[in-house]
Amino acid sequence: KQEVTQIPAALSVPEGENLVLNCSFTDSAIYNLQWFRQDPGKGLTSLLLIQSSQREQTSGRLNASLDKSSGRSTLYIAASQPGDSATYLCAVDGETSGSRLTFGEGTQLTVNP
Amino acid sequence: GEEVAQTPKHLVRGEGQKAKLYCAPIKGHSYVFWYQQVLKNEFKFLISFQNENVFDETGMPKERFSAKCLPNSPCSLEIQATKLEDSAVYFCASSLYRGSNQPQHFGDGTRLSIL
Repeated sequence: KQEVTQIPAALSVPEGENLVLNCSFTDSAIYNLQWFRQDPGKGLTSLLLIQSSQREQTSGRLNASLDKSSGRSTLYIAASQPGDSATYLCAVDGETSGSRLTFGEGTQLTVNP
Repeated sequence: GEEVAQTPKHLVRGEGQKAKLYCAPIKGHSYVFWYQQVLKNEFKFLISFQNENVFDETGMPKERFSAKCLPNSPCSLEIQATKLEDSAVYFCASSLYRGSNQPQHFGDGTRLSIL
């Protein structure tokens, strides 16, 4: 059974800092890994999707990497801003899990002005 | 539409009543997924559809929960005889097709409160 873990559970940083969020998964047989952002009371916004054959994806100030063999992904946020404050979730689409996404418990990020 | 639309945003029911939630996937998307978010960040997969056919229902509680995706209608998730433990946010997601490069796009969720 796929298990996804995110570290740290919460992170508070001053504005402008570069930061790294970590995600690990136990079964490396995956189709892809998605990073989402969730604002309080809102749905999930898809940030980046990395296919199993890819090593990284970039969108603006966000860069996500994937090391499938070691079961790890990182989300790098450059020059953080208060508007980046949210909960960040990673989710894995596994080859043996049908269509379901398996989610980590998220990292709650606060960027202080 | 260009977004997954879920209705209602908030639904309040007394214990034992029926609850019905709706989801309109992004136009042209073939796959629809339902997830239940209990506690703060614990997502539980419920069921998925490929068009109107059930694709994976291994996450659905055997009793009380049912779901449908009929042609030309919003998909629905129905809970019979609701219990306090059904209180959660229910998210619907859709994807164009099942593939390694296909993200799931989520709606804003329906918050179900059982009193």
